[in-house]
Amino acid sequence: EVQLVETGGGLIQPGGSLRLSCAASGFNISSNYMSWVRQTPGKGLDWVSVIYSGGNTYYADSVKGRFTISRDNSKNTLYLQMNGLRAEDTAVYYCVRAVGDWGQGTLVIVSS
Amino acid sequence: DIQMTQSPSSLSASVGDRVTITCRASQDISNYLAWLQQKPGKAPKSLIYAASTLQSGVPSKFSGSRSGTDFTLTITSLQPEDFATYYCQQYNTSPFTFGQGTRLDIK
Repeated sequence: EVQLVETGGGLIQPGGSLRLSCAASGFNISSNYMSWVRQTPGKGLDWVSVIYSGGNTYYADSVKGRFTISRDNSKNTLYLQMNGLRAEDTAVYYCVRAVGDWGQGTLVIVSS
Repeated sequence: DIQMTQSPSSLSASVGDRVTITCRASQDISNYLAWLQQKPGKAPKSLIYAASTLQSGVPSKFSGSRSGTDFTLTITSLQPEDFATYYCQQYNTSPFTFGQGTRLDIK
């Protein structure tokens, strides 16, 4: 059974950094493309970043230069390093396998 | 960026009804279109990928189709558990944009 478990969210001050993790089980993350998607409470879905099986990465313009997606194949874990956080980055962050499986999400709140 | 225009933004229907939700892509995305269902307080759930392929375990009451850059999600015989918000997403080209969502509620 495929499972995705996100951790690392929390309350952080503007300008701060957080690293989100997504522990995967039931499949190899290196064999799939993996994405991060976020959702501001009560709003729609907002695509953040993707990492392909070959290692290529892409980002939404709103996070480019501040966020970095990566993975550790040995731990079967996906990461999102978030630097220079802004109030508008406040959201639930989801880890997604291709166009199939979603994690339960982790809440990031950027506030002073 | 590819814009996904989803309509309607909200829809009221009764149990047993058939409903249709549409997404229009601003450019060709081939069949790289997914449909998602989200219930309040829950993570989205993938229903359909490649425009018309049902995810494993998704009932056949859900169906998807494509006509050029227009995509349709059809839900037949609505049941109480189907009342939720539905999103389309294109994954042809980064950024993988979403439609604005369609809130389906009980009439």
